[in-house]
Amino acid sequence: EVQLLDSGGGLVQPGGSLRLSCAASGFTFNYYGMTWVRQAPGKGLEWVSAISGSGDNTYYADSVKGRFTISRDNSKNTLYLHMNSLRSEDTAIYFCARDYSFDYWGQGTLVTVSS
Amino acid sequence: DVVMTQSPLSLPVTLGQPASISCRSSQSLVYSDGNTYLNWFQQRPGQSPRRLIYKVSNRDSGVPDRFSGSGSGTDFTLKISRVEAEDIGVYYCMQAPHWPLTFGGGTKVEIK
Repeated sequence: EVQLLDSGGGLVQPGGSLRLSCAASGFTFNYYGMTWVRQAPGKGLEWVSAISGSGDNTYYADSVKGRFTISRDNSKNTLYLHMNSLRSEDTAIYFCARDYSFDYWGQGTLVTVSS
Repeated sequence: DVVMTQSPLSLPVTLGQPASISCRSSQSLVYSDGNTYLNWFQQRPGQSPRRLIYKVSNRDSGVPDRFSGSGSGTDFTLKISRVEAEDIGVYYCMQAPHWPLTFGGGTKVEIK
């Protein structure tokens, strides 16, 4: 059974940093690209970042480019999102999802950026 | 960026009746491999999104056959043949052939 477990969210001050994790199980992790999607309170879905199965290729939304870094550790079956220079508008639930077609989703982790 | 426009924003439905959601893209979603990468997602209240349909018309495993997807090029539709109570939630279309990946704004399906 495919499982994605998101973690690492919390309350952080504007300008601060946070690292999200997504622990994957139930499939061959390095065969799949992985993505991060976020959802601000009461809003729709916004794609944030993606990474290829090998980790060689990464993609970012303009809204996070230069501040967020996606990475993966295929030996640990774990996806990461390193978030720097956080802003209030980054407040959202962050979901990891498998593949660029988002066939499986994690449960999400809440990031709140506030002073 | 490819803009995905969904309509309506809100869809009041009667249980047992059909429902239809439209999704239009600002560019063709046909990729160089010949496939059209348009997916549909359902998000029930308080839950993570769940993929229902991939590549326009392919139902994911476990998705009831009352859900169907159709369309081509830039114009797509999600249909529910007979709405059930468990179908309440927000539905999103998403395009995948173009970076950045983009979602429609969502259609909230609620009981009339």
